[in-house]
Amino acid sequence: DAKTTQPPSMDCAEGRAANLPCNHSTISGNEYVYWYRQIHSQGPQYIIHGLKNNETNEMASLIITEDRKSSTLILPHATLRDTAVYYCIVLAWTSGYSTLTFGKGTMLLVSP
Amino acid sequence: KAGVTQTPRYLIKTRGQQVTLSCSPISGHRSVSWYQQTPGQGLQFLFEYFSETQRNKGNFPGRFSGRQFSNSRSEMNVSTLELGDSALYLCASQQGAGSPLHFGNGTRLTVT
Repeated sequence: DAKTTQPPSMDCAEGRAANLPCNHSTISGNEYVYWYRQIHSQGPQYIIHGLKNNETNEMASLIITEDRKSSTLILPHATLRDTAVYYCIVLAWTSGYSTLTFGKGTMLLVSP
Repeated sequence: KAGVTQTPRYLIKTRGQQVTLSCSPISGHRSVSWYQQTPGQGLQFLFEYFSETQRNKGNFPGRFSGRQFSNSRSEMNVSTLELGDSALYLCASQQGAGSPLHFGNGTRLTVT
């Protein structure tokens, strides 16, 4: 299964864009990139996912490089409530079933 | 739709005891996965069930087991509890292949 690498922590000023990078250099052609976040004592919350193309939803944008070896999650206008651990996850498919490989995540601290 | 529901929210057990955790997936989701989360190891995959069958299993000892019922609800059991089993146990459900996992808020297990 492909693994991911993320910076352990990042800071962002409230109202500014937060850009969270992720490396997944061994990703295979049929593997998706998913982003989740987790606020203390809660379960991970799904944010966005993509295969090849850039994606956008009401929460964030996902930019995947053409070679698919890295991606960036963009929170366009970070708020204090976006302070959380962000996980970049690669979904691996093996013989019809799935498993997830989780990295250590990035602790994003949004400050006033 | 209601989200993934996990019960109980908190549990305190002593070494050697066993414990059963319950998970109700989102209505219509047939795949249920279980994960263990600890500060040192991060998120680790335990097992996945689909239509009452275990499809995949992580690298955990046989003391960890699970099952899924015909209504897709799932339980996991940990026997002969050890101090190292103290963790947040997360359940996630999935609608279908490639769709996002949706997590519950977990069961916080403390073994004393």
